[in-house]
Amino acid sequence: RKEVEQDPGPFNVPEGATVAFNCTYSNSASQSFFWYRQDCRKEPKLLMSVYSSGNEDGRFTAQLNRASQYISLLIRDSKLSDSATYLCVVTPGGKLIFGQGTELSVKP
Amino acid sequence: DAGVIQSPRHEVTEMGQEVTLRCKPISGHNSLFWYRQTMMRGLELLIYFNNNVPIDDSGMPEDRFSAKMPNASFSTLKIQPSEPRDSAVYFCASRRQGNQPQHFGDGTRLSIL
Repeated sequence: RKEVEQDPGPFNVPEGATVAFNCTYSNSASQSFFWYRQDCRKEPKLLMSVYSSGNEDGRFTAQLNRASQYISLLIRDSKLSDSATYLCVVTPGGKLIFGQGTELSVKP
Repeated sequence: DAGVIQSPRHEVTEMGQEVTLRCKPISGHNSLFWYRQTMMRGLELLIYFNNNVPIDDSGMPEDRFSAKMPNASFSTLKIQPSEPRDSAVYFCASRRQGNQPQHFGDGTRLSIL
């Protein structure tokens, strides 16, 4: 089993839609969690950290469920510019492990 | 502020040649990571350093790969001899110690012919 697993993509949604990604992890020792965004042929960039109580940043909401070992990312009112690959990250033992990523394509 | 700086941005070379990738982390960051990204395998952690010391190299594919960090501001990833299956984008990332997110360099796009 992979350490981090994400929803298979791609997700094709119209502008304005709400879309949710899930990510499960196997190592319960993970202490920090992040969502990164990667545009085609670019480096991954931090989108947001994920806190135990859940957190929101504008149209983006991240949730953590330690008991079930999954994290989620919700994007509301999606924009064309949200098209990218979204990577979840967990941190077992100090190292950062990335999921395979979920591709999102927002269409006009 | 300067981000993580990688060089070269692109490299194309013939199989069997030695390849050296370079990385300068963000000043003040204590941890440095090397990743490899391919379509098939996604983003794989190869090795990471804390305070210039290699902590976990379990992701290094085989003995042809080696990484060094002689000081806090420089690291290299070397492949010798290179093979076509090493073709990938290699990213370097750094972060402050603790549970902080990483910052990535632009990557090196490596093609082994």
